[in-house]
Amino acid sequence: DAGITQSPRHKVTETGTPVTLRCHQTENHRYMYWYRQDPGHGLRLIHYSYGVKDTDKGEVSDGYSVSRSKTEDFLLTLESATSSQTSVYFCASSYVSFSNQPQHFGDGTRLSIL
Amino acid sequence: AQSVAQPEDQVNVAEGNPLTVKCTYSVSGNPYLFWYVQYPNRGLQFLLKYITGDNLVKGSYGFEAEFNKSQTSFHLKKPSALVSDSALYFCAVRDPPESGGYNKLIFGAGTRLAVHP
Repeated sequence: DAGITQSPRHKVTETGTPVTLRCHQTENHRYMYWYRQDPGHGLRLIHYSYGVKDTDKGEVSDGYSVSRSKTEDFLLTLESATSSQTSVYFCASSYVSFSNQPQHFGDGTRLSIL
Repeated sequence: AQSVAQPEDQVNVAEGNPLTVKCTYSVSGNPYLFWYVQYPNRGLQFLLKYITGDNLVKGSYGFEAEFNKSQTSFHLKKPSALVSDSALYFCAVRDPPESGGYNKLIFGAGTRLAVHP
């Protein structure tokens, strides 16, 4: 599978603190994505990137920002964490082609905001 | 808007029996459909995809999916279930190119498959 590493794997923090989650991929994939997974909702797209410094909002982007300074790294930041952002966060990446390549996923970050 | 529905929260099946996990979709244009599996504390793993062509798509671990355009369905199947198939399964549809493309996916809520010995 594609080499996608997420860090940290678990984090507990308090409401109002900033949080940054990291995603690192070794496949030179151009596209990268951040999702959150909540029971009953499946995975919902937060932000995505289609190249270095090229990012856009997904379905549930409020309260989140992202940055991509290198092809291999995609950061997700919660500027001021709220309890509603307690979730499991997944990063994914995808090769660019015309044949609808699947996304490859990291193993997730479990984030608890107290 | 593109969407997928997985009408069953959980599917229970005995080991050795055939299994079906249901998915229906709503898309504008041609559907590009995917199935993923998630094991506990792991990310999603790609199983198979339908882009065009044969309505029966074969994927990893003995899984296959049947695309039915008239019923707008893309059900996941396996002839003989294993206990190790117990996991969470997600159906997904690709966002259409007019929404920017970029291989974005829209996921269903997931179906938990429990295979009993």
